[in-house]
Amino acid sequence: GAGVSQSPSNKVTEKGKDVELRCDPISGHTALYWYRQSLGQGLEFLIYFQGNSAPDKSGLPSDRFSAERTGGSVSTLTIQRTQQEDSAVYLCASSLAPGRSSGNTIYFGEGSWLTVV
Amino acid sequence: AQKITQTQPGMFVQEKEAVTLDCTYDTSDPSYGLFWYKQPSSGEMIFLIYQGSYDQQNATEGRYSLNFQKARKSANLVISASQLGDSAMYFCAMREGRDNYGQNFVFGPGTRLSVLP
Repeated sequence: GAGVSQSPSNKVTEKGKDVELRCDPISGHTALYWYRQSLGQGLEFLIYFQGNSAPDKSGLPSDRFSAERTGGSVSTLTIQRTQQEDSAVYLCASSLAPGRSSGNTIYFGEGSWLTVV
Repeated sequence: AQKITQTQPGMFVQEKEAVTLDCTYDTSDPSYGLFWYKQPSSGEMIFLIYQGSYDQQNATEGRYSLNFQKARKSANLVISASQLGDSAMYFCAMREGRDNYGQNFVFGPGTRLSVLP
């Protein structure tokens, strides 16, 4: 597709269950980002991939959160044993390789709205 | 420490008037990029405008312009001739240039703009 694609768009899950969120970046974009946004709040950085490797995992809030990227394309964000405070929109974004240029814009998907009940 | 500061949690502007949304940033890297994104109530993040740290002129994109004052580390967004559809959250963001793959996009807390008819 032309843009960043995320699925599911909406997910309601019971506390304690595991969830997987998927992101399919723009074709050719080697950099991929995950952010979390709670209702009415700003964006919280979670993790960044360059290709299949994640040089910056500093934002993952706990060891219940993990992410992987295979084939330099699709990424999945997994939340184990979900808690109510995990309820948020999970936004994925992609960009061309940063390299030494800081100009490459990141483009966002429409987000996965997660509600933990 | 906050890398991006947006001091206006909320702003009001009359339709057809201009409005300035403030953004200040903090970096010691000489190479960086500054971005503005719009997030309407639908939740999508829409890229608006980019300014590179070495750009001599202020960036403009249609009704959007970026008032870049490097010495003051400010990158204010100016929206001219406001429209009702401009009502949204606006996020300022920065990407720092580095020699390795440690690049990250950092977002400010956002400013909610309401355009009044």
